[in-house]
Amino acid sequence: AQKVTQAQTEISVVEKEDVTLDCVYETRDTTYYLFWYKQPPSGELVFLIRRNSFDEQNEISGRYSWNFQKSTSSFNFTITASQVVDSAVYFCALSEAQIGTASKLTFGTGTRLQVTL
Amino acid sequence: DAGVIQSPRHEVTEMGQEVTLRCKPISGHNSLFWYRQTMMRGLELLIYFNNNVPIDDSGMPEDRFSAKMPNASFSTLKIQPSEPRDSAVYFCASSAGTEPIYEQYFGPGTRLTVT
Repeated sequence: AQKVTQAQTEISVVEKEDVTLDCVYETRDTTYYLFWYKQPPSGELVFLIRRNSFDEQNEISGRYSWNFQKSTSSFNFTITASQVVDSAVYFCALSEAQIGTASKLTFGTGTRLQVTL
Repeated sequence: DAGVIQSPRHEVTEMGQEVTLRCKPISGHNSLFWYRQTMMRGLELLIYFNNNVPIDDSGMPEDRFSAKMPNASFSTLKIQPSEPRDSAVYFCASSAGTEPIYEQYFGPGTRLTVT
């Protein structure tokens, strides 16, 4: 069975601080995908990133960066110089890899990030 | 391009009534997912379809829930009869299901309140 753990329920930071959201996963699959989604106060789920299990390269996109470490089954998300607009609930998710088709997402419980002035 | 479309956006109904939620996936996507979000259980998969065929419905709570996908551009999730514990936000998501795009794109959700 797959499982995603986001131990941080809520994080509060002051604008311009860096913040890291932790994600630890469990799976028996050798090939899988990891995702991060953002849910702002408006409620929609916004896709941020997908990472394949065989690609451990870290990724940076603007102020966002992701650190995937297969050895520790972790896929952490860092926001550099946080802004008020980053305030949201962030979900880490896991899916098995199937050829030619998508598979269901197993979500963590989410981390609520509050960025204040 | 239009994203995933869900209707209605809000639904308030009385216990015992039938509720039908609708979803139009992104054109060209061949996988469709129904998720439910509650405070108690978080985000959980109810059912998903690949090429209009149900693949995994193990998340459907009970026989009161049913889902259909009669064609590639439309799906429904029906609850009959509805109960207060069904109150939640129901999300529909679709995916192209081909590399490099396995991402699931979510609709805005339907907030269901059963009184």
